Amino acid sequence: EPEVTQTPSHQVTQMGQEVILRCVPISNHLYFYWYRQILGQKVEFLVSFYNNEISEKSEIFDDQFSVERPDGSNFTLKIRSTKLEDSAMYFCASRWDRGNTIYFGEGSWLTVV
Amino acid sequence: AQTVTQSQPEMSVQEAETVTLSCTYDTSENNYYLFWYKQPPSRQMILVIRQEAYKQQNATENRFSVNFQKAAKSFSLKISDSQLGDTAMYFCAFETSGSRLTFGEGTQLTVNP
Repeated sequence: EPEVTQTPSHQVTQMGQEVILRCVPISNHLYFYWYRQILGQKVEFLVSFYNNEISEKSEIFDDQFSVERPDGSNFTLKIRSTKLEDSAMYFCASRWDRGNTIYFGEGSWLTVV
Repeated sequence: AQTVTQSQPEMSVQEAETVTLSCTYDTSENNYYLFWYKQPPSRQMILVIRQEAYKQQNATENRFSVNFQKAAKSFSLKISDSQLGDTAMYFCAFETSGSRLTFGEGTQLTVNP
């Protein structure tokens, strides 16, 4: 079964450093997402991406965050200057169309120290 | 804004028995989708079941079924013949045509041998 893959599975970074989380969505999917889950809390929407542009973003997704689909297969989330409160599991997700099932990757666990 | 409420932070059930997890939501939309996701200790998000709001018939997926009450805005998950591998955090999620998923706080289910 096709799956969403994410790298790295775990990254430790110092506060203030830039981090790039990478995702390879399922190949024929058109909608891409990043969600975040702080330890012990619920999953929160960050951003959705369609047709090479952001289609929706949450209030969490401030100027420190950016997304990119550089080469037609990868979908990246960049955090420009990490803060302690950015420590969380970051999930990439994709789907073919609105209303279809959203498939999640296994997550990238980011620890900011 | 849409909200999803899971009022049971923790539940436990004996192996082979049946358990029901509750979820309520609030929306002014008429067309939407509802989901239950399972998050085992690996923290991967796994789709359990989905329900389209326009369908009156409750969705069923093997041992998992839902009780969808549109007027009451209720969407409970029933797990029959519980297995040890069902131990996980279960998240109820809601989506309108606007494409973002809104998650509840989660219910930690423990299946006891």
